[in-house]
Formats: sequence, C-alpha cells, structure tokens
Amino acid sequence: QQQVKQSPQSLIVQKGGISIINCAYENTAFDYFPWYQQFPGKGPALLIAIRPDVSEKKEGRFTISFNKSAKQFSLHIMDSQPGDSATYFCAASMTGGFKTIFGAGTRLFVKA
Amino acid sequence: NAGVTQTPKFRILKIGQSMTLQCAQDMNHNYMYWYRQDPGMGLKLIYYSVGAGITDKGEVPNGYNVSRSTTEDFPLRLELAAPSQTSVYFCASSYGGQSYSNQPQHFGDGTRLSIL
Repeated sequence: QQQVKQSPQSLIVQKGGISIINCAYENTAFDYFPWYQQFPGKGPALLIAIRPDVSEKKEGRFTISFNKSAKQFSLHIMDSQPGDSATYFCAASMTGGFKTIFGAGTRLFVKA
Repeated sequence: NAGVTQTPKFRILKIGQSMTLQCAQDMNHNYMYWYRQDPGMGLKLIYYSVGAGITDKGEVPNGYNVSRSTTEDFPLRLELAAPSQTSVYFCASSYGGQSYSNQPQHFGDGTRLSIL
C-alpha cells in the first residue's frame, strides 16, 4: 500500500514531441505528489509538485495531471528538448509522515 | 547558500574497511535522509532523522549506522564494507512535522562508492 508504481521504465521521444510518464498509488492518505528530475552525476531535484485538491498543475512546458478517483498522476513534457534528457521520479508523501515514497524512475532520452 | 553538501564525492574501499560519508545542510531543515541508488534503479531509503538525536531505519539499514548530533549534520557510517554496498549514496533534507504541509526534499550530489 506504500508503493508508487511508475511507468515506463525508459522512454525515447523525438525533439518537439510530448513525453508522458505515469504513476499510480494505493494509499489514499498521500496528499503531496512531487516529481523530481535527475541529471547524470547529480542528485534529484524538485521539478514540479501537486496536491490532490487540483486536477492539473502547469509550469512552463511541464504539466502534472492528477486523477484522484483513479489514484493516478502523470507528468507531461510538452515540446520535449534534448536538455530534458534525464531520469524522472514521481513520489508521494502525507502530511505528518516522515517519508517520501519514490517511484522506480523513468529514463527519458530526447532525440535531436 | 550551499544547500546539501556531501563528502567525499568518490571513494574506493576494500572489503572489510569502514568509512563515514558526510552530509551537511545549511537550510535549518529538521528532517534528513540517506538513500542509496544502484545503477538504473530507484532510491532506497537507508536511514532517516526527524531531528537532532532522533534516527530511524528505512528499507535497507543493514550494514549502516547513523547519528544526528546537530541539526546540520547527518553522517552515514559503513562498517565492514561489502561489495553489495557498492552504490551511489544520496543525502537529502526537508522541513517536516505537523506544523508543515508537505515540503520537497533537497538532495546533495551524491557519493559514489565502490567496494572491491
């Protein structure tokens, strides 16, 4: 019940295309859903996050779509660029909880 | 503002040796975490701390120890290093507790550890 399942494991997208990464969770107590971006040789860094009181959040080319009833959320990268090539982790946590539960990660490669 | 600083960046150990991975944060975060990341894999929580003097085990604590004597520092100790501990180790910190809504974790750039 504490797991966050992330797919796909890897993704290749043409420059200018849309990258979509999906995550699913079981624990309805989760109330914070961040996405982290990790470049080779660096630690993960917060990219964008959403709380379950909204169904969508957009920051530039990055959008989180959230479906509370299905317990699913996804990251959409519009107009994908080679510089977006990185590993992306979805995650979930709950208010007052000590831990963040991370998905297994998606390696995105954007072809020029 | 340095954020989360990890030292060393790289280290090679022999089987059976011990070492301490250092982690320091300057954001006055009360929560700190240690993760390991194996090649092509996700993040596995080793230990975490919710404040000075308070630590607890994560998913994969065996072979590791931690201490938290100050808010800023959270060292990770490897005793009797084994090849299975070859990994990249990340330290992270965040605000946390009942008075905070969820806050993101801030990560260091990792320590790459090889045990031969």
